[in-house]
Amino acid sequence: QKEVEQDPGPLSVPEGAIVSLNCTYSNSAFQYFMWYRQYSRKGPELLMYTYSSGNKEDGRFTAQVDKSSKYISLFIRDSQPSDSATYLCAMTGSNYKLTFGKGTLLTVNP
Amino acid sequence: NAGVMQNPRHLVRRRGQEARLRCSPMKGHSHVYWYRQLPEEGLKFMVYLQKENIIDESGMPKERFSAEFPKEGPSILRIQQVVRGDSAAYFCASSPRGAGLSYEQYFGPGTRLTVT
Repeated sequence: QKEVEQDPGPLSVPEGAIVSLNCTYSNSAFQYFMWYRQYSRKGPELLMYTYSSGNKEDGRFTAQVDKSSKYISLFIRDSQPSDSATYLCAMTGSNYKLTFGKGTLLTVNP
Repeated sequence: NAGVMQNPRHLVRRRGQEARLRCSPMKGHSHVYWYRQLPEEGLKFMVYLQKENIIDESGMPKERFSAEFPKEGPSILRIQQVVRGDSAAYFCASSPRGAGLSYEQYFGPGTRLTVT
């Protein structure tokens, strides 16, 4: 079993839709959870990070963590074509080694 | 405030040659991490460096790969005698804090290495 599982998609939605992206993990030591956005042929861009169960909101983005289920989500409200990218979840215990999911490719259609 | 800079952005090497990838962290960041992204794979941790010190190289292949972060200048990831399997995107990240607080990592644009 991989430490982090992420559905690769692709996921295609119309503009304005609410997008839900998810990752599951198996390592109970993971305490910090990050979401990155990666445009084609670019480096990952840190969107949000959180370290507690519950929700964290930043503009149109909401990160949700459920440690009891080992499940994290990223919600994007009012999705825009500019949100089209690959979304990577990443997590770590109490150190610096980030463990990444393979990414979900999202396309938002105008 | 400039982000993490990497060069070259694209690098083509023949089998057996050496590849040198450079990374300049964000201003004020003294912790550097290298990750590799193979086709159809997620990013994998390779090495963590501070100025003049390798803190953790547990993700580095045992042979042909080395990394440094000198007192002056950028961090360098060096791959000797490259093979086709080294073809990948190599990303550098930096953070303002280290050890247990370094989950806040900011990535550069990457160097795409192609071995022919």
